[in-house]
Amino acid sequence: AQSVTQPDIHITVSEGASLELRCNYSYGATPYLFWYVQSPGQGLQLLLKYFSGDTLVQGIKGFEAEFKRSQSSFNLRKPSVHWSDAAEYFCAATSYGFQGAQKLVFGQGTRLTINP
Amino acid sequence: DGGITQSPKYLFRKEGQNVTLSCEQNLNHDAMYWYRQDPGQGLRLIYYSQIVNDFQKGDIAEGYSVSREKKESFPLTVTSAQKNPTAFYLCASSLRPSGSSYTQYFGPGTRLTVL
Repeated sequence: AQSVTQPDIHITVSEGASLELRCNYSYGATPYLFWYVQSPGQGLQLLLKYFSGDTLVQGIKGFEAEFKRSQSSFNLRKPSVHWSDAAEYFCAATSYGFQGAQKLVFGQGTRLTINP
Repeated sequence: DGGITQSPKYLFRKEGQNVTLSCEQNLNHDAMYWYRQDPGQGLRLIYYSQIVNDFQKGDIAEGYSVSREKKESFPLTVTSAQKNPTAFYLCASSLRPSGSSYTQYFGPGTRLTVL
């Protein structure tokens, strides 16, 4: 079955430190891949997406992600985190549903805490 | 401003009652989606619609119903048959249901609590 795994439920980093959030997917072919961020009680905001082409993708708020086919991974990175980055982060990948419609499969999420 | 609106933000329901959650978008998107979010479980797809007057069940459709009579609107009804409806509900839309225009954008969510 198609799945997305975020191995880290909770990560704590110090403000100004670098960040890497892990995401692994299990699919037969290369899916479309996404990272979303969610602040408490809010909807999801798209950070970045990968469809094809350059495997290093730049997103909003200084985030980037790298697609590695050999490792089935799409890890999210930021060189220096800010206190405002504290939130829940979701990795998602497409699967195919009725009449070719694409659906998103989400990972469990990683909660990011920032130490001052 | 273009976007997705959900109302109400908070909703309280007594057991045995049906409630309807509103989702409206002015992005001219063809496809719309409803998700349920529970702590520690990520998002799970309830229903999705590729086009007006058409919709399909997602992974957890039991106890829910939808309609898509207008392109911009995709209301979700939580029926009394849903055993554990207390959750955060998110609506999303995408320009197309597949292909390179397939990126889902989310509304702010509705928190439903059953009393």
